[in-house]
Amino acid sequence: GAGVSQSPSNKVTEKGKDVELRCDPISGHTALYWYRQSLGQGLEFLIYFQGNSAPDKSGLPSDRFSAERTGGSVSTLTIQRTQQEDSAVYLCASSYHGLAGPYYEQYFGPGTRLTVT
Amino acid sequence: QKEVEQDPGPLSVPEGAIVSLNCTYSNSAFQYFMWYRQYSRKGPELLMYTYSSGNKEDGRFTAQVDKSSKYISLFIRDSQPSDSATYLCAINPWGQAGTALIFGKGTTLSVSS
Repeated sequence: GAGVSQSPSNKVTEKGKDVELRCDPISGHTALYWYRQSLGQGLEFLIYFQGNSAPDKSGLPSDRFSAERTGGSVSTLTIQRTQQEDSAVYLCASSYHGLAGPYYEQYFGPGTRLTVT
Repeated sequence: QKEVEQDPGPLSVPEGAIVSLNCTYSNSAFQYFMWYRQYSRKGPELLMYTYSSGNKEDGRFTAQVDKSSKYISLFIRDSQPSDSATYLCAINPWGQAGTALIFGKGTTLSVSS
């Protein structure tokens, strides 16, 4: 079946503008994660959704960042008043927590490459 | 000390070489260890995962965990140009659902033909 999809694949925006990044998880996956991958920083966790609620928002770097998930499926990450330090690849992952056993593989999308000029 | 440390490389080897990629981690209680492969402009894909200490083999790839040293390794035998990618070690600390993975910064590998 289809994997995790993200749009747009690339986004160039001017400093101070708002941007919305979209993630479509694998159908049936109840958990959804957002990560950020910056040059030299590796992948950093931003937020985790279980269904439509976000029990862990601890990685959001500032109140300019917000995310929502609707219908237990699509998620949108919004960055308000973008800054140059927001330039990074934003990755979405999903997993299925109905599996027996302790391990829950996270499947990643291709990412959105955000450039703030 | 960062929770996971990984040498970013780059690492360049000729085709057919044995490659060793390594990470160290800070918390001896961590339980689940993964290796992801990321090709340029793509998302990470899971290569292998292991639980606790020991080795796990899958084709040309072997993942090794030494919990006493807090050291994880990925070995690639008979490396191929198609193995050229960034390799990320990752930890699911307690093996629980809904847990953010902790990633190393990734090692960039280039295999020349």
